[in-house]
Amino acid sequence: DAKTTQPPSMDCAEGRAANLPCNHSTISGNEYVYWYRQIHSQGPQYIIHGLKNNETNEMASLIITEDRKSSTLILPHATLRDTAVYYCIVLSLQGNMLTFGGGTRLMVKP
Amino acid sequence: DAGITQSPRYKITETGRQVTLMCHQTWSHSYMFWYRQDLGHGLRLIYYSAAADITDKGEVPDGYVVSRSKTENFPLTLESATRSQTSVYFCASRDRASGNTIYFGEGSWLTVV
Repeated sequence: DAKTTQPPSMDCAEGRAANLPCNHSTISGNEYVYWYRQIHSQGPQYIIHGLKNNETNEMASLIITEDRKSSTLILPHATLRDTAVYYCIVLSLQGNMLTFGGGTRLMVKP
Repeated sequence: DAGITQSPRYKITETGRQVTLMCHQTWSHSYMFWYRQDLGHGLRLIYYSAAADITDKGEVPDGYVVSRSKTENFPLTLESATRSQTSVYFCASRDRASGNTIYFGEGSWLTVV
C-alpha cells in the first residue's frame, strides 16, 4: 500500500475552515484515500474516504486531485473539539495493513 | 449499538506474567485487528484476522499470540510480558459493506513493571 506525507502540525482559528493536505504520489489505481483522527487518549475515529471523486459527509469534505497524487481534508467550521491528530491513509479494498504515519497535529485556537 | 469494546481498559502487570486483552465487536465484521501505539511511533499493526480461525501477522507480532474462535471476539495474549510491551493497545474491526471502513475501540492501557 502507498505511503503518505503530511505536515506534522497546523493551527486553525475556531470557526474557520481547516484544510489538511496529504501527499500520496505513489497511490495505485485501486487504492482509496482514508482519513482518520485521534483525539488525545481515544481510539482513532473514521472521518471520510474516497477513490477519485470529491466526497462530503456530516464531518468533512475530501478533495482529491485529478491525478490522485494528493488530497485535502476540509473541516468547514473548525471547533475546539476538532483539535486532534489527523491521519491520511491509502488502502485498497483488498488491503489489510492499515498503516498509520505520523499524521498532522491540528490545533484549533479560540 | 455497542460497537467494539475492549477490556480491561487499564492494566498493570509484572514482567514475565501472562496478560490477555479482550476485544468484542457486535457488528459481525469479518476482519479484526490489534494495534499498539507508543509515543513517537504512531499506530503499528500487531496481528489481524480475516475470519474465525484465520489470523495473520502484522508489523510487530513478536511476543504476542492471538486467537479467533468466534467472529465477535479477538483476544490478544502477551505470553510473558516485557517492559517494552508497555503501550496502548487498540482493537479494530472492518466493515466491508461501507467501503472498508475500520472502527476502533477505546484502547487498553497496559503497563508492565
